[in-house]
Amino acid sequence: DVKVTQSSRYLVKRTGEKVFLECVQDMDHENMFWYRQDPGLGLRLIYFSYDVKMKEKGDIPEGYSVSREKKERFSLILESASTNQTSMYLCASSLAMSNGYTFGSGTRLTVV
Amino acid sequence: GENVEQHPSTLSVQEGDSAVIKCTYSDSASNYFPWYKQELGKRPQLIIDIRSNVGEKKDQRIAVTLNKTAKHFSLHITETQPEDSAVYFCAARNTPLVFGKGTRLSVIA
Repeated sequence: DVKVTQSSRYLVKRTGEKVFLECVQDMDHENMFWYRQDPGLGLRLIYFSYDVKMKEKGDIPEGYSVSREKKERFSLILESASTNQTSMYLCASSLAMSNGYTFGSGTRLTVV
Repeated sequence: GENVEQHPSTLSVQEGDSAVIKCTYSDSASNYFPWYKQELGKRPQLIIDIRSNVGEKKDQRIAVTLNKTAKHFSLHITETQPEDSAVYFCAARNTPLVFGKGTRLSVIA
């Protein structure tokens, strides 16, 4: 069974802080994704990566950046956290773009 | 880019009845249509998917139908049970998945 592990379940950060959300998958998947989930808005794609050191913007990349230095790890970075980035963040991975995703358990981030 | 509309946003059914959730998509090049179930406090999990060369797929009480001409696809759950209560997301893909906004299904015992 593929495991996608997000390092923190809950995080509370202050406005202006630099925030790192970590995601690790253990099945050698090529593709990794970061979504944010907000009530009534569903899942919105922030960034994705189809290979090491490769990244592509999703629908809502503003205020975020990503890093993929190793195949198994995909990090989401909030350069200067703001209150409107309070949300549930979900990481996912897939073997190929034509396959379904396996999601992590999510990180609920609160920015105060 | 792709746009996915999902209806209804909430759905309540009596235990044993059927539930139907509908989605439409905009990009005729989309070729993969998964459905995810997210129980309260848990991660979304893939429950069924269909590819564009198939019109219908069934797995026990769950079925998905796809109408490529009309660009819509639907999830059908028969003989609903309380454990079917969750938020369901449809998605469509040409490149990364684009999700609908979700349907909160409540099965009333």
